[in-house]
Amino acid sequence: AQKVTQAQTEISVVEKEDVTLDCVYETRDTTYYLFWYKQPPSGELVFLIRRNSFDEQNEISGRYSWNFQKSTSSFNFTITASQVVDSAVYFCALFGGNQFYFGTGTSLTVIP
Amino acid sequence: KAGVTQTPRYLIKTRGQQVTLSCSPISGHRSVSWYQQTPGQGLQFLFEYFSETQRNKGNFPGRFSGRQFSNSRSEMNVSTLELGDSALYLCASSGWDREGGNTIYFGEGSWLTVV
Repeated sequence: AQKVTQAQTEISVVEKEDVTLDCVYETRDTTYYLFWYKQPPSGELVFLIRRNSFDEQNEISGRYSWNFQKSTSSFNFTITASQVVDSAVYFCALFGGNQFYFGTGTSLTVIP
Repeated sequence: KAGVTQTPRYLIKTRGQQVTLSCSPISGHRSVSWYQQTPGQGLQFLFEYFSETQRNKGNFPGRFSGRQFSNSRSEMNVSTLELGDSALYLCASSGWDREGGNTIYFGEGSWLTVV
């Protein structure tokens, strides 16, 4: 089965704290893609990152970093030194079997 | 290049009416998907169209339908609206890129309120 699990429904942190959003996936495909999206209150889902299943290198983009581990089927997202503008719902997604699968999202609130 | 465009952005309808939402995908993308998101809920997959054919379908009643035109633009229709249909409807387009990957991009969504 193809499935994405985001066990954390809601997270609150104080500004400048680091926070990690967890994502665990299941897939029967050997080739697949993993994504993270950010949904601010305005509603639009904003694409953040894509990783393919053959590239387990961690990626860093400014305050954002992603840790992809095939051994544990996880693709976790860390925000360093969080800011109020990071407050949003974050979705993890999997593309496999010619279809996209989304997790249920993690609502992050950064308290000033 | 232009992103995914959805119209209208906001609309209010009365129970029993029908509504049509429109979506223009990113140029070159042939796949268009629709999602429903209600307050506090995740993304509920409605259906996906590829080259004018419905390729995948979620678990929604027949009141929800869609179509895709030859230029890849898509419409979704909800007939006999119910209060529970009030939601954010998101359209997304996807396509293979030069790196051999497939990424899905979303529009800003259409906020539907049924009264």
